[in-house]
Amino acid sequence: AQSVSQHNHHVILSEAASLELGCNYSYGGTVNLFWYVQYPGQHLQLLLKYFSGDPLVKGIKGFEAEFIKSKFSFNLRKPSVQWSDTAEYFCAGRGSARQLTFGSGTQLTVLP
Amino acid sequence: NAGVTQTPKFRVLKTGQSMTLLCAQDMNHEYMYWYRQDPGMGLRLIHYSVGEGTTAKGEVPDGYNVSRLKKQNFLLGLESAAPSQTSVYFCASSFGTADGYTFGSGTRLTVV
Repeated sequence: AQSVSQHNHHVILSEAASLELGCNYSYGGTVNLFWYVQYPGQHLQLLLKYFSGDPLVKGIKGFEAEFIKSKFSFNLRKPSVQWSDTAEYFCAGRGSARQLTFGSGTQLTVLP
Repeated sequence: NAGVTQTPKFRVLKTGQSMTLLCAQDMNHEYMYWYRQDPGMGLRLIHYSVGEGTTAKGEVPDGYNVSRLKKQNFLLGLESAAPSQTSVYFCASSFGTADGYTFGSGTRLTVV
C-alpha cells in the first residue's frame, strides 16, 4: 500500500533560520507529490506540487521542494522562515490510486 | 468566491445520535473526498467519489456513509455516533486524478 511518512513531528526554529522538512513515500512508478500548509484554525492550502520534469519545484511564499527519486523523498525547504510560517505542514502523494495519501504532518513553530 | 463549503462548522452529538455533514463545491469538480483529521495521524480518507452517483471506501470507512446524488454535493452521514468519531472532518474536491485538492474549512465534531 502506498504511504507517506513525515518523521519530524514538531520543529521549532527562530526567525531567519533555514527550514527543511522531511517527506518520504513508499511506492514506485509514476508519482505525484504535494505539500500542503494548514495555518491555525484554517483549512489546508496547496504550497507546491510535483508531477514530472524539473525535480526542484518552487511554490508559494518562498517554499521549494526537491524530488529525489533514488531516496523516495520530497523534502520541503525555505531559506529563511518568518513568524507567519508557523503552521502545520502536510506532505501528500498519489501513485496508482486516484486519491491522495497524507503524511501525519509536521508542526512548525517559528519564534520571533 | 468559488470553493468548497462545509456545513456545519461545529457540532456536538451525544453517543448514538445521527447527523449529516454537507459538502458543496461550485468548481464543477468530478472528484470529492471526505477526510478526518486527528492529532498525530494526519488526514485519513473516509470515503470518496469519482463522479455523480458514485462512492467508494477509503482508509477508514466504518461507521460512515456517503452519498453523491448531485455533482456539486457530497454528504457524509454518521448513523450512530461514537466518541471515537470525535474529529475534524474535511471535505475536498479535485477536477481530475492528477490535480491537487481544494479543501473546505472543516467541521469540528465532538461526540460525548
